[in-house]
Amino acid sequence: AQSVTQLGSHVSVSEGALVLLRCNYSSSVPPYLFWYVQYPNQGLQLLLKYTSAATLVKGINGFEAEFKKSETSFHLTKPSAHMSDAAEYFCAVSETVFGNEKLTFGTGTRLTIIP
Amino acid sequence: EAGVTQSPTHLIKTRGQQATLRCSPISGHTSVYWYQQALGLGLQFLLWYDEGEERNRGNFPPRFSGRQFPNYSSELNVNALELEDSALYLCASSSDTPNTEAFFGQGTRLTVV
Repeated sequence: AQSVTQLGSHVSVSEGALVLLRCNYSSSVPPYLFWYVQYPNQGLQLLLKYTSAATLVKGINGFEAEFKKSETSFHLTKPSAHMSDAAEYFCAVSETVFGNEKLTFGTGTRLTIIP
Repeated sequence: EAGVTQSPTHLIKTRGQQATLRCSPISGHTSVYWYQQALGLGLQFLLWYDEGEERNRGNFPPRFSGRQFPNYSSELNVNALELEDSALYLCASSSDTPNTEAFFGQGTRLTVV
């Protein structure tokens, strides 16, 4: 079985400060991991994905995430927060079991940027 | 290339009525996922269809049902609507290539009054 835990349902950072959104996963097979962003009243947009290639993954809008197997983590970071980063962020895990695919999301982290 | 499209964008229903939500996946995608995003509850997995079959179901009562058509579009039906069914319902699609990401539509906002 697979699961995702996002630590902190709300995170606030000052504009220009480091953004760190935490995600830990549980998976019985090597996982594929994703970060999505949701702006108000919109669907989810893929930020980045880990598919067993490089452990440091770079995404759109200056975000990146590092896969750490030993810590079962896939935290999302951005060196300098921008007001436009205010949104809800979802971590997701996918694993293929017996040829079928299942996508499981975390509960989300709402990021607020303080001017 | 068109993305995932959902209709209607907004839907207002009375308690006890039925709601039908529709989703057209990206061309070539065979998997469709439905999620409920209620206020304060995050993204809750509802249903997953692939190749016309229901592959997995979340922890929702049987009055939440759906189907996938031969063209891979999908319908979500919610019977006997309750006030707490008010939420944003998101549809996503993915290809049959293992572990590719899902692409999301803009959602249908269902309001039950």
